[in-house]
Amino acid sequence: KAGVTQTPRYLIKTRGQQVTLSCSPISGHRSVSWYQQTPGQGLQFLFEYFSETQRNKGNFPGRFSGRQFSNSRSEMNVSTLELGDSALYLCASSLARTSGGEQETQYFGPGTRLLVL
Amino acid sequence: KQEVTQIPAALSVPEGENLVLNCSFTDSAIYNLQWFRQDPGKGLTSLLLIQSSQREQTSGRLNASLDKSSGRSTLYIAASQPGDSATYLCAVRGGKLIFGQGTELSVKP
Repeated sequence: KAGVTQTPRYLIKTRGQQVTLSCSPISGHRSVSWYQQTPGQGLQFLFEYFSETQRNKGNFPGRFSGRQFSNSRSEMNVSTLELGDSALYLCASSLARTSGGEQETQYFGPGTRLLVL
Repeated sequence: KQEVTQIPAALSVPEGENLVLNCSFTDSAIYNLQWFRQDPGKGLTSLLLIQSSQREQTSGRLNASLDKSSGRSTLYIAASQPGDSATYLCAVRGGKLIFGQGTELSVKP
């Protein structure tokens, strides 16, 4: 069974631009979560989508948004990029919702490394 | 606000040693605690998940314990190998998954 895939793997953008990252979950998984990883802040939760609805959200500005499609694939968008948005963006999938406390293991993709110049 | 702390931040040991990684959290109202491994430039691999009602979980040479009342978890790695070199992250779930900063482990041949 294929794992979680993320595209693109690497991306270079300039301040003020916008970017869209894509995540394809493991087949059959309906929950997709997004995380940002930086050397200073570590891994931080962005949001979780389940059945095309955002179920939980972290403490990030409105520039960060996402969506999930009927096939469970998810996209994350960052508008008006700032230098501080440079990070590794990780996507994780699981069979069911995780924000409700269900005992679900999340499976992580390899990440998209975004560099903002 | 939940805070997760991992000590030490980095650890270097010779091959074959048994070692313990520590994780502490401030809010005991958690659903579960997970340990992950991250190789450089890669995503996370789930190692062990301990439910809030459990005290420990084992997988091969790995054993993780959970003491909710004291807000602590340990990851025990037996007979360490160079292939165990990676960053180990613990994360607690109470709605959101909150991660510690990780322990960077280096096992020397």
